[in-house]
Amino acid sequence: GENVEQHPSTLSVQEGDSAVIKCTYSDSASNYFPWYKQELGKGPQLIIDIRSNVGEKKDQRIAVTLNKTAKHFSLHITETQPEDSAVYFCAALKSANAGKSTFGDGTTLTVKP
Amino acid sequence: DAGITQSPRHKVTETGTPVTLRCHQTENHRYMYWYRQDPGHGLRLIHYSYGVKDTDKGEVSDGYSVSRSKTEDFLLTLESATSSQTSVYFCAISESPGKDTEAFFGQGTRLTVV
Repeated sequence: GENVEQHPSTLSVQEGDSAVIKCTYSDSASNYFPWYKQELGKGPQLIIDIRSNVGEKKDQRIAVTLNKTAKHFSLHITETQPEDSAVYFCAALKSANAGKSTFGDGTTLTVKP
Repeated sequence: DAGITQSPRHKVTETGTPVTLRCHQTENHRYMYWYRQDPGHGLRLIHYSYGVKDTDKGEVSDGYSVSRSKTEDFLLTLESATSSQTSVYFCAISESPGKDTEAFFGQGTRLTVV
């Protein structure tokens, strides 16, 4: 089955700096890669996603890149703000596989004012 | 926010007792999932459903059963709770994969088995 590794497990940055979280996956058939943000006491919420036919996607301060050959994808947050502090999860799945996601173990991001 | 309601939100139960968690959706999504979240393990799939009365196992299904008698409800049952099942449980829903694979998560149920 799919295996997703996520690094780092914790990340602390100064407000205004950039943050990068990296994930690798094992199943080359995976074709959909969402990123979720989880705030304390809440469920994960999708913040950006990328499909395997795209190399990069950007939404304001958030971007995701995908390298299919190397089987890794990354989340980039620029101009970080204190409200970006949360746990971030990457996931990989095959869209034809009933939407079953394999998640990374999460990255706790702390943005210091 | 997607219309997903988990109940109860918190529960403390004793080892060996049966426990049922409920997930209710108002989005009419076909797919529903139960995940558990533990420190250092991210989210792991327990069971999922791809339609009424159609369910299948995930990666950590031992000790759990599910039922889906209506589109909107997906029940997770711990037949005889153990301390290793202390966790936060999340329900998620999704439209048919291939068209829209985004998953929407509920607020979670914190279960403590003592």
